[in-house]
Amino acid sequence: QQPVQSPQAVILREGEDAVINCSSSKALYSVHWYRQKHGEAPVFLMILLKGGEQKGHDKISASFNEKKQQSSLYLTASQLSYSGTYFCGPYYGGSQGNLIFGKGTKLSVKP
Amino acid sequence: DSGVTQTPKHLITATGQRVTLRCSPRSGDLSVYWYQQSLDQGLQFLIQYYNGEERAKGNILERFSAQQFPDLHSELNLSSLELGDSALYFCASSVDGGGGELFFGEGSRLTVL
Repeated sequence: QQPVQSPQAVILREGEDAVINCSSSKALYSVHWYRQKHGEAPVFLMILLKGGEQKGHDKISASFNEKKQQSSLYLTASQLSYSGTYFCGPYYGGSQGNLIFGKGTKLSVKP
Repeated sequence: DSGVTQTPKHLITATGQRVTLRCSPRSGDLSVYWYQQSLDQGLQFLIQYYNGEERAKGNILERFSAQQFPDLHSELNLSSLELGDSALYFCASSVDGGGGELFFGEGSRLTVL
C-alpha cells in the first residue's frame, strides 16, 4: 500500500515556500519523512505520531491528519540545502512493521 | 555517518551471476530493512528482519533472498542476475522495527552487464 505523494517535482527560488503532501489509503499509526540528496542515502527528518501532531526541523515542519490519513511537509523560506528528494513513509503498526515509501517528491531550490 | 555499514559499495557483474550484499546495522539496532532504488526511482521495500526473524516482505523477487544472522548483520543474496537488477541497494536499521527512525547505510551499487 504505497502512499501517494504530490507533487512529483517542484522547483523553487531561494526563500520561497513549498508543501509536499502524502496520502494513504489505510489508517496510519505514524508517518516518517526522509530527505535524500543526489548520490547520498536517505536521511531521517521527522516522525509524526497520531494526534494531529505538528513537528519542526529548522524551517521544515509537518502535520499529520489521521482522520484524512494524510501528512504534509512544509518547507518555509527554502534554502539551497533543501534540494533533494523527499519521501514519506507511513507506518501502519503491528505485523505490518515495514515502511513502504512513496515515490518521492523532487525539490530543486535555485539561487 | 549513520553507523550502518554496507559492503561492497560498488559491484559489477554479469547476467546470470550471483552476488551477496552485506549489511551491519548500528550497534543496538535489532531490525534491518532492505530497499532497492533503481535510477531516478523511489525506494522499493524488499524485506525486513527483526532479531533474526523475517518481519515483513515486500516486492522481493524469488531470485532474491535474505537473512539476518545471530550477530544481527544481514545479507541479501541476488541470483540469476538480470540487467534490470542493476540498482542501488540500501540497508537500513532501526532499534526495534516498531516504527522508529530508520538509519540508512550508504548503499551498494550493483551493475549487471
